[in-house]
Amino acid sequence: GQNIDQPTEMTATEGAIVQINCTYQTSGFNGLFWYQQHAGEAPTFLSYNVLDGLEEKGRFSSFLSRSKGYSYLLLKELQMKDSASYLCAVTYDYKLSFGAGTTVTVRA
Amino acid sequence: SQTIHQWPATLVQPVGSPLSLECTVEGTSNPNLYWYRQAAGRGLQLLFYSVGIGQISSEVPQNLSASRPQDRQFILSSKKLLLSDSGFYLCAWSVRREETQYFGPGTRLLVL
Repeated sequence: GQNIDQPTEMTATEGAIVQINCTYQTSGFNGLFWYQQHAGEAPTFLSYNVLDGLEEKGRFSSFLSRSKGYSYLLLKELQMKDSASYLCAVTYDYKLSFGAGTTVTVRA
Repeated sequence: SQTIHQWPATLVQPVGSPLSLECTVEGTSNPNLYWYRQAAGRGLQLLFYSVGIGQISSEVPQNLSASRPQDRQFILSSKKLLLSDSGFYLCAWSVRREETQYFGPGTRLLVL
């Protein structure tokens, strides 16, 4: 089966940096996704890591260590609009298994 | 560009009534299609996926079923809804099974 852990909630100040960790245990791992989900809306794709290392996309970066079963999503220069739930998802057998999500609250 | 539609956006149904939720994708051919459910404060649970017309794989045994009558149409159904069927139902598509999934706007179902 798949076991994906991420913190339930995080709070940060506007302009700051927040790191959301995700650990996983799964068979047949292909890669790891991060999605952003605003309250009441559908998830939107942020990043996909297949190989070890850091992928940077503007203010957002995602890191993967396959040997450690570990990933993080780094959000820099936080803005109020970044308040959302961030979902870690691992691919296995060509399907996605999602973590419960981390709710990030950005305060002024 | 590709777009994915779901309807209805919101639905309130009595226990024991039937259900039909529809999902259509535009701008791509032979997509992989997925149905997920998200209960309040919970993660996404994969319910069904389809790699082609008439090909349905079920992930979780339940009183729901799925069908894919056309290449870009995916339907989620139930003959008799339960209270526990309430949730946010999301349809998603991908080009290939291992690639990024893109989600539709979702249907919020409340069973009373």
